[in-house]
Amino acid sequence: TQLLEQSPQFLSIQEGENLTVYCNSSSVFSSLQWYRQEPGEGPVLLVTVVTGGEVKKLKRLTFQFGDARKDSSLHITAAQPGDTGLYLCAGAYADSWGKLQFGAGTQVVVTP
Amino acid sequence: DSGVTQTPKHLITATGQRVTLRCSPRSGDLSVYWYQQSLDQGLQFLIQYYNGEERAKGNILERFSAQQFPDLHSELNLSSLELGVSALYFCASSFSTVTEAFFGQGTRLTVV
Repeated sequence: TQLLEQSPQFLSIQEGENLTVYCNSSSVFSSLQWYRQEPGEGPVLLVTVVTGGEVKKLKRLTFQFGDARKDSSLHITAAQPGDTGLYLCAGAYADSWGKLQFGAGTQVVVTP
Repeated sequence: DSGVTQTPKHLITATGQRVTLRCSPRSGDLSVYWYQQSLDQGLQFLIQYYNGEERAKGNILERFSAQQFPDLHSELNLSSLELGVSALYFCASSFSTVTEAFFGQGTRLTVV
């Protein structure tokens, strides 16, 4: 049973379109991290959000942490083929930021 | 390159055998985490070590064991292998328990 539910499971869009990935949980986490993983590679950390209501921007990526620290979203503006990958959200507890509860992931495919 | 090194990259072995996966953390990192990634279960936390001592356990089978050595590298030992443990095994490391962890490229274990 996944404590973190990600939606959608799969997203296929054209280059230049926008997309949003959601991550929802019934648990409160002390921080939430977003990773991107490519086939055969390890997850690469994109961002960590800690404060309820926090918004962080990383170039064309915008990350939001819900006020109650139970949900988060990732929005990509003007997607590019290089954004293709598996996006994973992961919740961390106060005592260990590396002991993560991962969602199942959202596979994003951006076609030229 | 995250700085976390895992060997071997691929491992094919027969049922009933025992294997050892090795992880060298980033320079200066004291904490090591092991994860298993399978198609049906996603990324699951197995175990954490901090400066040589076990800190947390997750969904790790009794036939699996791990340790962290004085030079901080870690090994994950899997014994009495069954087909169902074929998966990607990732190691991650962090400087402390409340800083983000960075993942290695993984070891793909195939049990035949």
